[in-house]
Amino acid sequence: AQSVAQPEDQVNVAEGNPLTVKCTYSVSGNPYLFWYVQYPNRGLQFLLKYITGDNLVKGSYGFEAEFNKSQTSFHLKKPSALVSDSALYFCAVRPQDSNYQLIWGAGTKLIIKP
Amino acid sequence: DVKVTQSSRYLVKRTGEKVFLECVQDMDHENMFWYRQDPGLGLRLIYFSYDVKMKEKGDIPEGYSVSREKKERFSLILESASTNQTSMYLCASSFVQGRNEQYFGPGTRLTVT
Repeated sequence: AQSVAQPEDQVNVAEGNPLTVKCTYSVSGNPYLFWYVQYPNRGLQFLLKYITGDNLVKGSYGFEAEFNKSQTSFHLKKPSALVSDSALYFCAVRPQDSNYQLIWGAGTKLIIKP
Repeated sequence: DVKVTQSSRYLVKRTGEKVFLECVQDMDHENMFWYRQDPGLGLRLIYFSYDVKMKEKGDIPEGYSVSREKKERFSLILESASTNQTSMYLCASSFVQGRNEQYFGPGTRLTVT
């Protein structure tokens, strides 16, 4: 069965430190990969996506993600965390043969401490 | 900016009531989706629609139905609400090609008592 794993329910980082939110997937072929963020009591916002090309993808709010095909991973990163980055982060994967199906991770709560 | 709006932010209904959740998008997207979000379970697809009057079941369609009479509007209907349908409901829309991201509404937190 196809799946997306976010192995950490919660990640705690001090403000100013680099952050990483992990995502691995088990999907056949070459899928499209997405990260979304959800601030408290809000809908999800698109952060970035990997379609093809350069393995390092840059997105909104200074976030970037690194695609690693051999490890089937798509980790979200930021060089210097802000308190305002505290939110729930979701990784999602779309098989290339689907125009709609998104396989979602369970989400990782990111807490940035001042 | 893409805008997806949902008819209510918070809704409280009684068991057995018929519940309508409405979603409107303003970007001429072909695809529209209804998800429910529960802690620790991520997002689960209830139904999606790829065109007017067209719909497909998602992962958890039981107890729900949908209606898409106009391209910009997608409604989720709970025929007879039950307490296990208490959840956050998220609407999303996107262009049809698979590489396109989905845009989400603010969500409706439904409580069934």
